[in-house]
Amino acid sequence: GIQVEQSPPDLILQEGANSTLRCNFSDSVNNLQWFHQNPWGQLINLFYIPSGTKQNGRLSATTVATERYSLLYISSSQTTDSGVYFCAVERYNTDKLIFGTGTRLQVFP
Amino acid sequence: NAGVTQTPKFRVLKTGQSMTLLCAQDMNHEYMYWYRQDPGMGLRLIHYSVGEGTTAKGEVPDGYNVSRLKKQNFLLGLESAAPSQTSVYFCASSIQGYEQYFGPGTRLTVT
Repeated sequence: GIQVEQSPPDLILQEGANSTLRCNFSDSVNNLQWFHQNPWGQLINLFYIPSGTKQNGRLSATTVATERYSLLYISSSQTTDSGVYFCAVERYNTDKLIFGTGTRLQVFP
Repeated sequence: NAGVTQTPKFRVLKTGQSMTLLCAQDMNHEYMYWYRQDPGMGLRLIHYSVGEGTTAKGEVPDGYNVSRLKKQNFLLGLESAAPSQTSVYFCASSIQGYEQYFGPGTRLTVT
């Protein structure tokens, strides 16, 4: 099956710093999503981004489908950004999202 | 607009007991999913449904059954719980091929 690898596995930042999270996948996909799981366990959909670039406030994401990777940028990080960030992909016509193991982000004041 | 809701939020079972987890969504989504999340891991798909009356197996279906009798509800059943089924269970819904929206999760402990 398709492999989804996220890096780095852990990231510790001071408030105000910028960061880049990476997601590599091993096959062509028609669906790629980024999620944030907050410290209370809630999963929030950040981006639906099978290709191209999107921005939402301090967060932006870029997917280069031909090279099989996606990047999530967090600028001016805040303590509320702490949690685990997951990338998930779906191969064409499978109806199944496959999740990576996540990047755990801790932001300190 | 409640989005995706799950009941119960917490449950403790003894080995061999059965239970049903209920997921409900009010977004008129065709697709619904059940995942499990174990410590330090991503989510793994148990079963999913592409519409009322349909179900299909995901990555880790063994030991679970599902039913989708109404479009807005998706039930996950454990017929004979095992300690290996201790996990956090998440339900999600979506329009085909687009963003998935998740419920708050159910924390299940099997002793």
